[in-house]
Amino acid sequence: EDKVVQSPLSLVVHEGDTVTLNCSYEVTNFRSLLWYKQEKKAPTFLFMLTSSGIEKKSGRLSSILDKKELFSILNITATQTGDSAVYLCAVPNTGGFKTIFGAGTRLFVKA
Amino acid sequence: DVKVTQSSRYLVKRTGEKVFLECVQDMDHENMFWYRQDPGLGLRLIYFSYDVKMKEKGDIPEGYSVSREKKERFSLILESASTNQTSMYLCASTLRGGHMNEQFFGPGTRLTVL
Repeated sequence: EDKVVQSPLSLVVHEGDTVTLNCSYEVTNFRSLLWYKQEKKAPTFLFMLTSSGIEKKSGRLSSILDKKELFSILNITATQTGDSAVYLCAVPNTGGFKTIFGAGTRLFVKA
Repeated sequence: DVKVTQSSRYLVKRTGEKVFLECVQDMDHENMFWYRQDPGLGLRLIYFSYDVKMKEKGDIPEGYSVSREKKERFSLILESASTNQTSMYLCASTLRGGHMNEQFFGPGTRLTVL
């Protein structure tokens, strides 16, 4: 059965800390992995990763994929209170219509 | 910008009531999805639709039905609401299928069934 597992489930850090969120997957015919940020309401798209070892970067956020070990990490450097959110990892399955989501990592950044 | 809207942000219904959740997207996307989100379980797919009048069961379709009469609108129906359907419901759309399209989400409807 296809699955996506995120860790940790929750995390509390101080402003300025660097955090690493983990996502491991077992999905048949893997093609891509996506990261979303969910604050109070709708998840918003962060990154799409398709190739191993190529870092995607957006400001203080970066992500990388390891297709051999079947995982991805999302790094946030110099965290701010506005980074407090649930971060979701998602992998479309064969055919691409069904997307398997992890349970999410709830990050809380203290001022 | 893609916009996905949902008819209600918060909804409180009684057990046995019929409940309609509406979702509208304004970017001519082919595919629309309904998820429910529960703590510790992530997003679970209820139903999706890849074209008008077409629908496919997701992972947890029991107790739900859907309707897609127009391309921009995808409705989720709880025929007889039960307390275990208390949850956050999220609608999403993508331009087309395949692995290279991120999903655009609506703001969610938090449904409480008493």
